[in-house]
Amino acid sequence: DTEVTQTPKHLVMGMTNKKSLKCEQHMGHRAMYWYKQKAKKPPELMFVYSYEKLSINESVPSRFSPECPNSSLLNLHLHALQPEDSALYLCASSQDQSQTYGYTFGSGTRLTVV
Amino acid sequence: GQQLNQSPQSMFIQEGEDVSMNCTSSSIFNTWLWYKQDPGEGPVLLIALYKAGELTSNGRLTAQFGITRKDSFLNISASIPSDVGIYFCAGHPWYTGRRALTFGSGTRLQVQP
Repeated sequence: DTEVTQTPKHLVMGMTNKKSLKCEQHMGHRAMYWYKQKAKKPPELMFVYSYEKLSINESVPSRFSPECPNSSLLNLHLHALQPEDSALYLCASSQDQSQTYGYTFGSGTRLTVV
Repeated sequence: GQQLNQSPQSMFIQEGEDVSMNCTSSSIFNTWLWYKQDPGEGPVLLIALYKAGELTSNGRLTAQFGITRKDSFLNISASIPSDVGIYFCAGHPWYTGRRALTFGSGTRLQVQP
């Protein structure tokens, strides 16, 4: 299995809703990442987990809450989002957080906040 | 954050033409990667470069890691319609304070059949 699987593919949520994005990989990768991508822009790093511990938080608002329950799973919990949070949310993984490896990306979750 | 300057911003070419795009930085990078992203999908790794001066090919794609470690280019030969998409350079900067990939701004490629 050489894939990163993200669910759901599309999500529409209201500003008072609570929802979660899920990411799964079975490649034995020990680093996992959340990126946010707005239209016509490059991916922007949000969080990095290394060996199931939060390694980097790029000053992301607390309405985004990451969780890494085990080495294969990465969740992003969403609460009280704003319309400007609408974007493509990408999950990625790599062998570890060293600079030796490229990242494998999932197909993303297209989030719309109404 | 670390800036990667990618050019051109967009290209519109005829099928069969060759394409070249590049990425530069004011700082040294340890790794250069080239990704392609199709609409509604995540980026897919095309080529990874790990040593200064390294020249690597993947089919019709060729990429080089600049000698100064501050730049990289990607060439696509004999373009075809399925080459359409956004191409991103990405890299790991030399300093290890931020151990995650930084992306360039992207080159949007359109190919006229």
